[in-house]
Amino acid sequence: DAGVTQSPTHLIKTRGQHVTLRCSPISGHKSVSWYQQVLGQGPQFIFQYYEKEERGRGNFPDRFSARQFPNYSSELNVNALLLGDSALYLCASSPIPIAISSYEQYFGPGTRLTVT
Amino acid sequence: ELKVEQNPLFLSMQEGKNYTIYCNYSTTSDRLYWYRQDPGKSLESLFVLLSNGAVKQEGRLMASLDTKARLSTLHITAAVHDLSATYFCAVVPSNFGNEKLTFGTGTRLTIIP
Repeated sequence: DAGVTQSPTHLIKTRGQHVTLRCSPISGHKSVSWYQQVLGQGPQFIFQYYEKEERGRGNFPDRFSARQFPNYSSELNVNALLLGDSALYLCASSPIPIAISSYEQYFGPGTRLTVT
Repeated sequence: ELKVEQNPLFLSMQEGKNYTIYCNYSTTSDRLYWYRQDPGKSLESLFVLLSNGAVKQEGRLMASLDTKARLSTLHITAAVHDLSATYFCAVVPSNFGNEKLTFGTGTRLTIIP
């Protein structure tokens, strides 16, 4: 079975631009979470979606938004990019939210975003 | 706000030695996860600990959870070079509806031949 997939793998953008990152969960998984990992730090929670509804939001500005589609894939959008947005963006999926289950999350390979 | 602290942040140890990584968290939780990350790679799930006293072992790694002390440990037995990586613990708070998984600072482990 295919794991969590993310696209693109790498991306270079200029300050002020907009970016869209994509995630396809493992087949049968309905919960998707997004994380930002700055170099040398642990991942920071951005969003969680389950059954196309937002279930959790981390401490990120409104420039960050996301959505989940009927096929459970997800997009993360970041507007007005700043240099500090440069990071590895990770997507993770689970059958249902881990906070209410004994499931674990499976992480995708990530999208490395560089803002210049 | 939930805080998750790991120590040590950096650990360099010789092959064949034993060591323990500690993970402390600041709020009530009965769910703790350990992940491994190789340089430039994504996160690999190692253990899911779901109750007080939970202990899980896989190869040379053993993880335990003490929810009363708000402490988890990851013990490495007879380390080998392949275990060199960064290890993260992560916690979900117990208050229902809070889906935020909070990661620790990470422990960068280097195994020296």
